[in-house]
Amino acid sequence: DIQMTQSPSSLSASVGDRVTITCRASQSISSYLNWYQQKPGKAPNVLIYAASSLQSGVPSRFSGSGSGTDFTLTISSLQPEDFATYYCQQSYSTPITFGQGTRLEIK
Amino acid sequence: QLQLQESGPGLVKPSETLSLTCTVSGGSISSSSYYWGWIRQPPGKGLEWIGSIYYSGSTYYNPPLKSRVTISVDTSKNQFSLKLSSVTAADTAVYYCTRMGGGPAAPSFYWGQGTLLTVSS
Repeated sequence: DIQMTQSPSSLSASVGDRVTITCRASQSISSYLNWYQQKPGKAPNVLIYAASSLQSGVPSRFSGSGSGTDFTLTISSLQPEDFATYYCQQSYSTPITFGQGTRLEIK
Repeated sequence: QLQLQESGPGLVKPSETLSLTCTVSGGSISSSSYYWGWIRQPPGKGLEWIGSIYYSGSTYYNPPLKSRVTISVDTSKNQFSLKLSSVTAADTAVYYCTRMGGGPAAPSFYWGQGTLLTVSS
């Protein structure tokens, strides 16, 4: 199985900050990496797929980069609605695996 | 507008079989472009993929669950289902059904609202 490791596991930031979350795969997954946002009590919502493709309707302040084993999710200027938990997911092969999540909290 | 809705008992006793159904509306489960999946999330924890199915019935399961899981599709009802046998407290989770992209490991672009299943006597 491909292991996905996210860092940090939690992060405190302020509105307007630039934030970066990283995800590392245990083997090369090319660009088969997706990012989800989950708010309390809600289903996850895909933000970025194929490492850098912005899902329709997602604000342009979200961006993704990377290939192979190392990936990043960047939020260029945090908005109040961005405080949530973020997960990476590899879609290179089954079994699908997720990172453990990054909880983004208000400072 | 595609919608997915999970339905199930809410409470299951240990050692019994969990059965959940996902009803798809606003789109056909028989589309050749998509796979359909189940993902779960224990309270306060992360996401775990359970398995994926194609409308033809081809299935892919997470190995730790494979011996206990059956995912099936009913194209006449536009539904797909999850059965998980011999449940324990560790199976207590919110269960989500999803529509994925064009492969068994593709991203999940549409999600149901989730249903909490509790395993308790």
